[in-house]
Amino acid sequence: QKEVEQNSGPLSVPEGAIASLNCTYSDRGSQSFFWYRQYSGKSPELIMSIYSNGDKEDGRFTAQLNKASQYVSLLIRDSQPSDSATYLCAVNRSGGYQKVTFGTGTKLQVIP
Amino acid sequence: NAGVTQTPKFQVLKTGQSMTLQCAQDMNHNSMYWYRQDPGMGLRLIYYSASEGTTDKGEVPNGYNVSRLNKREFSLRLESAAPSQTSVYFCASNPGRGSSETQYFGPGTRLLVL
Repeated sequence: QKEVEQNSGPLSVPEGAIASLNCTYSDRGSQSFFWYRQYSGKSPELIMSIYSNGDKEDGRFTAQLNKASQYVSLLIRDSQPSDSATYLCAVNRSGGYQKVTFGTGTKLQVIP
Repeated sequence: NAGVTQTPKFQVLKTGQSMTLQCAQDMNHNSMYWYRQDPGMGLRLIYYSASEGTTDKGEVPNGYNVSRLNKREFSLRLESAAPSQTSVYFCASNPGRGSSETQYFGPGTRLLVL
């Protein structure tokens, strides 16, 4: 079992719709969770971090964390073509000093 | 404030050649990292440096060495390049213990080993 699992996609959504990206992790002691966005040929950039159960909203983005079920999700409301990118889920493993494990990413395509 | 910079941006090597990838950050961060990214494999940690003067192996350290030259600079060396090391290499930095765990990435180095 991979430490951090994501569906590779592509996930296609029409412009204006809600895109839902999911991630599961295996280490129950994980404490910090991140979503990075990576445009093709570019480096990852952080868009959301979440540390406690529940929802965290930032503009059109909402991160959701459920530690009991070991999943974290990212919702993108009013999806725009500029949101088309690969979204990487990252998890800070327990005991891992400032080290995170990345999932392989989900490719999102927003269709105009 | 340039953030994290990497050189070179692109490099072609022949099998057996050596090279050093350079990384520098101007954010006064304590921790620095080297990742490689391959299709279908995601980002994998090669080495990291929690603070100046320390380095530790990550998930895929074989075939690589690193040097934390000072607080700003963290280099990655391939002593004898192999085709399996063809990849995109990202350097990243982080403020360090007790701070945000956000990692700030450089633009990447695309390496092709023939």
